[in-house]
Amino acid sequence: GAVVSQHPSRVICKSGTSVKIECRSLDFQATTMFWYRQFPKQSLMLMATSNEGSKATYEQGVEKDKFLINHASLTLSTLTVTSAHPEDSSFYICSAGTGSGYEAFFGQGTRLTVV
Amino acid sequence: GQNIDQPTEMTATEGAIVQINCTYQTSGFNGLFWYQQHAGEAPTFLSYNVLDGLEEKGRFSSFLSRSKGYSYLLLKELQMKDSASYLCAVRDSNYQLIWGAGTKLIIKP
Repeated sequence: GAVVSQHPSRVICKSGTSVKIECRSLDFQATTMFWYRQFPKQSLMLMATSNEGSKATYEQGVEKDKFLINHASLTLSTLTVTSAHPEDSSFYICSAGTGSGYEAFFGQGTRLTVV
Repeated sequence: GQNIDQPTEMTATEGAIVQINCTYQTSGFNGLFWYQQHAGEAPTFLSYNVLDGLEEKGRFSSFLSRSKGYSYLLLKELQMKDSASYLCAVRDSNYQLIWGAGTKLIIKP
């Protein structure tokens, strides 16, 4: 199946700093990428939908100025958590689709810890 | 609103069979997915159903009844490594994935 690579897998940052998470589709072009957040023992929560070449669509309650999403190419989307706070500590996961396929391929996820 | 229900937790014995149910109410239907998620890892794709009936893939099978808004994931010959959370997700009319909360499956020797 298609491969989605997410980096970094783990990051610890200080409160008030920014962190960038990359999501790459390695062997296919992803016109749409999705960013999820998952708190312990909870389900995936969609944060935003990222479309190549256009602004991301954010879910209700997700601050677009805090979670900056850039989808500059058909193989790369980035999520930047700005001015991170301890409550932003979570597991962030990206997924991508081929557009013509039906599967959602997930990156490995990023465990963010803000101290 | 949109809703997906699945049991919170199930326990089964190694070598046995377990069925995890999922019921859904969504605005439109464009397929149902089952994913496996081990603790601390991203979900991995297990199966996809868009038409009624049973899809079999090795030890795992998935069934769909669109008229009943119902699906199940059947796991046979359970192994200890099958201990994980199993997520049911439905793609709605906007092609957005609506996720269930997941079923934590505990396998006992």
